[in-house]
Amino acid sequence: AQSVTQLGSHVSVSEGALVLLRCNYSSSVPPYLFWYVQYPNQGLQLLLKYTSAATLVKGINGFEAEFKKSETSFHLTKPSAHMSDAAEYFCAVSEGGGGADGLTFGKGTHLIIQP
Amino acid sequence: DGGITQSPKYLFRKEGQNVTLSCEQNLNHDAMYWYRQDPGQGLRLIYYSQIVNDFQKGDIAEGYSVSREKKESFPLTVTSAQKNPTAFYLCASSLGQALVETQYFGPGTRLLVL
Repeated sequence: AQSVTQLGSHVSVSEGALVLLRCNYSSSVPPYLFWYVQYPNQGLQLLLKYTSAATLVKGINGFEAEFKKSETSFHLTKPSAHMSDAAEYFCAVSEGGGGADGLTFGKGTHLIIQP
Repeated sequence: DGGITQSPKYLFRKEGQNVTLSCEQNLNHDAMYWYRQDPGQGLRLIYYSQIVNDFQKGDIAEGYSVSREKKESFPLTVTSAQKNPTAFYLCASSLGQALVETQYFGPGTRLLVL
């Protein structure tokens, strides 16, 4: 069975500082991995996804993530935080049994940007 | 503009009442999903549908029901059997059944119990 662990329910960084949001997964087969962002009272928006084409994945808004199989990790980074990055971030894995049977989400990390 | 719409934005349920949440998409996607979001819990899958007139239970289907009579629509009914319905409900869709497909989300419906 697949699972996702996001370390840190809240992460606080200063504006302009590096953003690092951690995600570890458990999967019995090579997974597909996703990062989504959610602003208050809104739906989720895809930031980036790993599909095995390249281990370093670039997404929108300057975010990127690196797939490390040996560490079963898919951490999200951004070199310089902006106030508009304050939101909830979710890591998700898609493994399934042969069909589109939904994503398994981590519990989320609330990113706080300090001025 | 193509996208997913959910209505209403806020919904209030009385004790013993069934309520239905609407989800419509004009993306021509085959697959649709319902998730429940609780604070600090992430999203949990309630039901999903890969094709019209077919749907499967997710991880927390008890107390919920769905239908998929049209490709564009996937309404969710929260029945009186769901004892703790207060949550944020998100509908999503994807182009096909492949695991790599991106799921696109609607803006959500917040359900509150009176």
